[in-house]
Amino acid sequence: GAGVSQSPSNKVTEKGKDVELRCDPISGHTALYWYRQSLGQGLEFLIYFQGNSAPDKSGLPSDRFSAERTGGSVSTLTIQRTQQEDSAVYLCASSLVAGGTGGKLFFGSGTQLSVL
Amino acid sequence: GESVGLHLPTLSVQEGDNSIINCAYSNSASDYFIWYKQESGKGPQFIIDIRSNMDKRQGQRVTVLLNKTVKHLSLQIAATQPGDSAVYFCAENQNFGNEKLTFGTGTRLTIIP
Repeated sequence: GAGVSQSPSNKVTEKGKDVELRCDPISGHTALYWYRQSLGQGLEFLIYFQGNSAPDKSGLPSDRFSAERTGGSVSTLTIQRTQQEDSAVYLCASSLVAGGTGGKLFFGSGTQLSVL
Repeated sequence: GESVGLHLPTLSVQEGDNSIINCAYSNSASDYFIWYKQESGKGPQFIIDIRSNMDKRQGQRVTVLLNKTVKHLSLQIAATQPGDSAVYFCAENQNFGNEKLTFGTGTRLTIIP
């Protein structure tokens, strides 16, 4: 597709279960970001991948959160032992140019995660 | 800590009128600012950006103003249309070489037909 694709669009899980969220960035985009958006709130930075560099994980809220980016393309955000406070929309974004563009990001539609 | 904040959480404007959405930032080192529009059920969409060496930038029906003296950013939308109804976020980049953006809480703009 032409845009950033995220799956699933909705995920309902039970507290304590693990979940995996997937992001397919725009082809050729070297940078990939994960943000979290709680209801009525702004976007909270989670993690940033740029090319082959070590990812910036400074926004991950706990060690239950991890993310990988395979082959410089698809990324998976994993949340282990989910808690109710993990319920949010998880947004993925990608951008074309390496550092220096400032941040013109293209976002996917997000995964709505609900932890019961 | 550093933050990006908005003055008003909601704004209602009559269709055809102009709207102004405001944003305050606290990090004087921020050198790049972006406005995003988020419609219901969708991810944020880039609207317009501005570097810190500018104080005004215009796009199609939108203008961004930057006042570095008071650390204030605004988005002006001219001749509003129903499709402009959305949540608008300002975001700042505190290091132009690093594309990690800090987003504000957002302002919900409602266009009244």
